[in-house]
Amino acid sequence: AQSVTQLDSQVPVFEEAPVELRCNYSSSVSVYLFWYVQYPNQGLQLLLKYLSGSTLVESINGFEAEFNKSQTSFHLRKPSVHISDTAEYFCAVSGAAGGYNKLIFGAGTRLAVHP
Amino acid sequence: DAGVIQSPRHEVTEMGQEVTLRCKPISGHNSLFWYRQTMMRGLELLIYFNNNVPIDDSGMPEDRFSAKMPNASFSTLKIQPSEPRDSAVYFCASTRTNAEAFFGQGTRLTVV
Repeated sequence: AQSVTQLDSQVPVFEEAPVELRCNYSSSVSVYLFWYVQYPNQGLQLLLKYLSGSTLVESINGFEAEFNKSQTSFHLRKPSVHISDTAEYFCAVSGAAGGYNKLIFGAGTRLAVHP
Repeated sequence: DAGVIQSPRHEVTEMGQEVTLRCKPISGHNSLFWYRQTMMRGLELLIYFNNNVPIDDSGMPEDRFSAKMPNASFSTLKIQPSEPRDSAVYFCASTRTNAEAFFGQGTRLTVV
């Protein structure tokens, strides 16, 4: 069975400060990992993904995440946040079990960026 | 492509009534997921389909909930009878194998 743990339910941070949102997963099969972002009253949008290859993946708006297999982690980082980054962030894992990919989400981390 | 399309965007209904939520996945995607989002329980996977076949419905809370996917371009989630505790935002998402999922805008259901 797969599961995702997001260690922080809320992360307050000042504008231009660095931030890390933590994510750990468990799975008995090979996994694909994702971070999604949800702005108020909207659906989830893909932020970045790890499918294979380089363990460090980046988004177009400055976020990055590193797949660490030994620590079963996929933490999300940004060196300098903006007010517009305020949103809820979800870590997700998809693993092929029986040939089908079941997509499971963590509980989410609410990032609040303050001026 | 217009993305994943869900309807209605908002639904208000009285307790005991039947509610049907609809989803049109992205063309060419072979997996479809239904999620429910609430403040208390976060984002819960209710059921998912692969090639129109239900693979795992272990997240469906009760027999009052049912989902169908009669063809590759349409799915429904039905609640009958509805209860106030079913109030939530329901999301549909679709994906190709070994790729990321794309979400619809959600249906906000309020049962009074």
